[in-house]
Parts: sequence; C-alpha cells; structure tokens
Amino acid sequence: SAVISQKPSRDICQRGTSLTIQCQVDSQVTMMFWYRQQPGQSLTLIATANQGSEATYESGFVIDKFPISRPNLTFSTLTVSNMSPEDSSIYLCSVVAGGSTDTQYFGPGTRLTVL
Amino acid sequence: LAKTTQPISMDSYEGQEVNITCSHNNIATNDYITWYQQFPSQGPRFIIQGYKTKVTNEVASLFIPADRKSSTLSLPRVSLSDTAVYYCLVGVHGSGNTGKLIFGQGTTLQVKP
Repeated sequence: SAVISQKPSRDICQRGTSLTIQCQVDSQVTMMFWYRQQPGQSLTLIATANQGSEATYESGFVIDKFPISRPNLTFSTLTVSNMSPEDSSIYLCSVVAGGSTDTQYFGPGTRLTVL
Repeated sequence: LAKTTQPISMDSYEGQEVNITCSHNNIATNDYITWYQQFPSQGPRFIIQGYKTKVTNEVASLFIPADRKSSTLSLPRVSLSDTAVYYCLVGVHGSGNTGKLIFGQGTTLQVKP
C-alpha cells in the first residue's frame, strides 16, 4: 500500500493568483497522477506525472495552466495558475503502488476555493 | 479505456445486501475491473478488483459473468458507514498498465437506518 499526504488540505485564494499543491508519498513510486473533482462531480484526470519525464496532460488541460513538477520518486507538485472561480475544485494526487494488482491509492485531496 | 455505466443512485437499509451493477460493453481482453469507494471530503479508496468469475475479500464480492460485459459489486449487510459513492472502472492491468483511471459518474449509495 501507499500513504499519501497533500498540502494544503484546503485554501481560499483570490482570482489571478496561483497555488502550488504538494503531494508526498511514503514509498517510491513511478506512476503519479493528478485529478480534479469539481463540486458534486466525478474525478477528471489532469495529467500523468512519471519521474524522469515530462508530465503528460489530458485533453482540456495545459501545462501553462497546471504546471507539474516531479523531482523524485516520492514527491510531486501541481500548480493552479492564474486562478478563476471555475478552478474551485478538489485536487487529488494518486499513485500506483506495489504488487501485482497495480492498485491506485489516492491522497486526501486539496479543497480549493477561488473568490 | 472502456466506458462504464452505473446507476446514479441507490438507497438501502442497514443490514441489507446491496448489489451495484456496472455495464462495460467495450471491455478489452487485457482490462481488469476495479471498484473504488469515496466518502465525502476523502479520496477514493480501492475496494476490489477482478478479471472474471467471482472475487471476494473482507469488504465485498465482485461477480463477473463469462462475457465480462458487466460486473456486480456486492456489499453484505451494509451499515450507515457504507454511505458513499462507488465507482466502477476498467483498465489495463500488469505490465501494460498506464495507470490511467477514467472515472464515470459513480453510484451514490445512501444507507438508511
């Protein structure tokens, strides 16, 4: 299994500013993902952040808006840039960890409110 | 990645068995079926995964028919704490796993006293 922590757990930000969300895993993992969950909605994959390569973004998400860093096998950051109220969501990181099941583990999420 | 279809919501009472069925008509040969549970203000949590027939763990059972075009998550004797959203996902397993999970709408299970 994997234990994932995220910082901050929540934040309230002004439009036009940027917020960097940190994701820390208690073990080394290759595959790490960032998701967004808008209020009352399901999860949407933003990007895949594998160590040693550039992040791969899903359709509708771009690097200028959501730059991602993956400096090592236990850590990643997602920045939400030039925020607008439409960016208000829960942002979650997840990892694929261990064993033959390739189970994906999720962090607790960062609840972002943009005013 | 195969699309999945689930009921949007279900109601049950404490002590009952709950069965949530998921359709995945376009499931590929290498795809496994995985179910996640999400409580409010938490990230999704892995429940169970299977490829065919029946899988059982301490939390749930997963029934998969021979054609694999659907699957049923069975929760025995639910309690109020089982109130959550349940997601059915299909994806590649093992060495071919890109890790990508595409979440559908999920099923909101409300357990009543």
